[in-house]
Amino acid sequence: DAGVTQSPTHLIKTRGQQVTLRCSPKSGHDTVSWYQQALGQGPQFIFQYYEEEERQRGNFPDRFSGHQFPNYSSELNVNALLLGDSALYLCASSLLGTGNTEAFFGQGTRLTVV
Amino acid sequence: GESVGLHLPTLSVQEGDNSIINCAYSNSASDYFIWYKQESGKGPQFIIDIRSNMDKRQGQRVTVLLNKTVKHLSLQIAATQPGDSAVYFCAENGDNQGGKLIFGQGTELSVKP
Repeated sequence: DAGVTQSPTHLIKTRGQQVTLRCSPKSGHDTVSWYQQALGQGPQFIFQYYEEEERQRGNFPDRFSGHQFPNYSSELNVNALLLGDSALYLCASSLLGTGNTEAFFGQGTRLTVV
Repeated sequence: GESVGLHLPTLSVQEGDNSIINCAYSNSASDYFIWYKQESGKGPQFIIDIRSNMDKRQGQRVTVLLNKTVKHLSLQIAATQPGDSAVYFCAENGDNQGGKLIFGQGTELSVKP
């Protein structure tokens, strides 16, 4: 079991560009959540996907969007990148109905906006 | 507002000593809490959890205590080892439907050999 996998591990983008990050959930999990972790801070919830729909959303602008595919994998898209978007982006997978008791995190994608 | 905070940003202990990491939460309706360990360059790793109907839960070398009266959570690590050096986060389940987790800022634990 590979657990939660994220790609790429590191990424450098220029301000104004767009980026897509990818996540494959743990086998057996159907729900994917995305978090943004700024340096020295705790992860901040971006949104959660279940059954290919955005189920819940945190306090992030519309520049942040996502998608979930039939195989439960997910993408996070960020448009019009700002310097402040530089962070570690974490994906967590879980099984809906377990109340996050089985939430597992990936290693994250380190995004640097220059 | 929603927040889970930590009392101390850094903690330094001697190898073999016990460590105690504290956390305060603000939502008295929260029913589930988790402690995560995050090593440099890695994602958060689950350590232990506790539901609001409990006040103590033990794992291997770790114990979580929950005091709902003062909305306080603590993580105790027995016989701390150098491999325990990491940032520790408490997290609160934002709802009881498996939705968002609300994380605190983190405490960096440094273990001196």
